[in-house]
Amino acid sequence: QVQLQESGPGLVKPSETLSLMCSVSGHSVGTPISNGGYYWTWIRQRPGKGLEWIGYVYNSGIADYNPSLKSRLTMSVGISKNQFSLTLRSVTAADTAVYYCAKEGGAVAGYFDTWGQGILVFVSS
Amino acid sequence: DIQMTQSPPSLSASIGDRVTITCQASQDIRNYLNWYQQKPGKAPKLLIYDASKLETGVPSRFSGGGSGTHFVFSINDLQPEDLATYYCQQYDYIPRTFGQGTKLEIK
Repeated sequence: QVQLQESGPGLVKPSETLSLMCSVSGHSVGTPISNGGYYWTWIRQRPGKGLEWIGYVYNSGIADYNPSLKSRLTMSVGISKNQFSLTLRSVTAADTAVYYCAKEGGAVAGYFDTWGQGILVFVSS
Repeated sequence: DIQMTQSPPSLSASIGDRVTITCQASQDIRNYLNWYQQKPGKAPKLLIYDASKLETGVPSRFSGGGSGTHFVFSINDLQPEDLATYYCQQYDYIPRTFGQGTKLEIK
């Protein structure tokens, strides 16, 4: 059974870079989609608001991003540590949110069936 | 982006009631529609995938249907533990998008 756990700072200053990691157990993040791998996903939820898909990474490094964040965003996979990461540059208060990592099912299963517990990130000076 | 419009934004119902939430997609998404339940302070939980398939372990009082642009989610025999916000989500297009949520309160 796949389990996910987010880690990273709870406070980031405006204009700086937010970096989060998601540790994966129960499956190798480097497994290709064609071999039963998954789309390793980041989703966020601003305080009191709905869910926003940030993007995903798969096949050891191919990524798709939300166009609204694409210019500030990088996702990658760390195979040796079985992790995947999110880097969001030039943050503002609007990036304050709970950030979740999640697993999207794979080639024929586009649902998020496994989630981390979430990490609350404040952007403030 | 595909816009997902959920209604109602909130509803209040009694134990034992049947409640229904609708989700309208801004264009055809076939049956690529999922439903999630989010309880306060918790991560969302998958309930229904591919519009009508019940996730393993989810009680059968939850159900979903629809295709194309119009989808429905229902809870039969409402229970106290169903207090939550419910979201629809499409996966036919990038970016994946969610409805704005329906907050369910128990009378």
